[in-house]
Amino acid sequence: QKEVEQNSGPLSVPEGAIASLNCTYSDRGSQSFFWYRQYSGKSPELIMSIYSNGDKEDGRFTAQLNKASQYVSLLIRDSQPSDSATYLCAVRREYGNKLVFGAGTILRVKS
Amino acid sequence: GAVVSQHPSWVICKSGTSVKIECRSLDFQATTMFWYRQFPKQSLMLMATSNEGSKATYEQGVEKDKFLINHASLTLSTLTVTSAHPEDSSFYICSAGVAVDMDTQYFGPGTRLTVL
Repeated sequence: QKEVEQNSGPLSVPEGAIASLNCTYSDRGSQSFFWYRQYSGKSPELIMSIYSNGDKEDGRFTAQLNKASQYVSLLIRDSQPSDSATYLCAVRREYGNKLVFGAGTILRVKS
Repeated sequence: GAVVSQHPSWVICKSGTSVKIECRSLDFQATTMFWYRQFPKQSLMLMATSNEGSKATYEQGVEKDKFLINHASLTLSTLTVTSAHPEDSSFYICSAGVAVDMDTQYFGPGTRLTVL
């Protein structure tokens, strides 16, 4: 079992729709969770971080965390073609400062 | 915001040569720097963690004698790929963090290495 799992996609949504990206993790003691966006040939850029159960909203993005289910999700409202990218879920383990990344989900927003 | 640069952005070399990649934090002092490798259509894999002035900690399966990491100052870390081979061709990305906030890593733009 991979430490951080994501559906590789591609996830295709029409412009203006809600894109829902999911991630599960295996280390129950993990405390910090992150969503990164990566365009082809570029390095990742941080979109959201979440540390507590529940929802966290930032503009069109909402991160959801359920520690009991070891599940993190990212919702993108009013999806735009510019949102087309690979979305990486990352988890910081309970101890240490290393991030473990999932394989990423490819999102395609069609205009 | 915090900026991390990498140099070069891309490099092509012959098999058997060594390549050095620099990672600099431009406007802050990075107590820790991380080196990742990313193969096409795969995720970022952490290679090693380096703290200024001390030896790097390598992840399991990463050859420390092949991937030499030096973190000589709070703003500069270097990764040297020694005797590079075609299978070392990859996208190498560094990130930098500060001890008081290790949940925040600032990523460099990456270096594309192609070994012929």
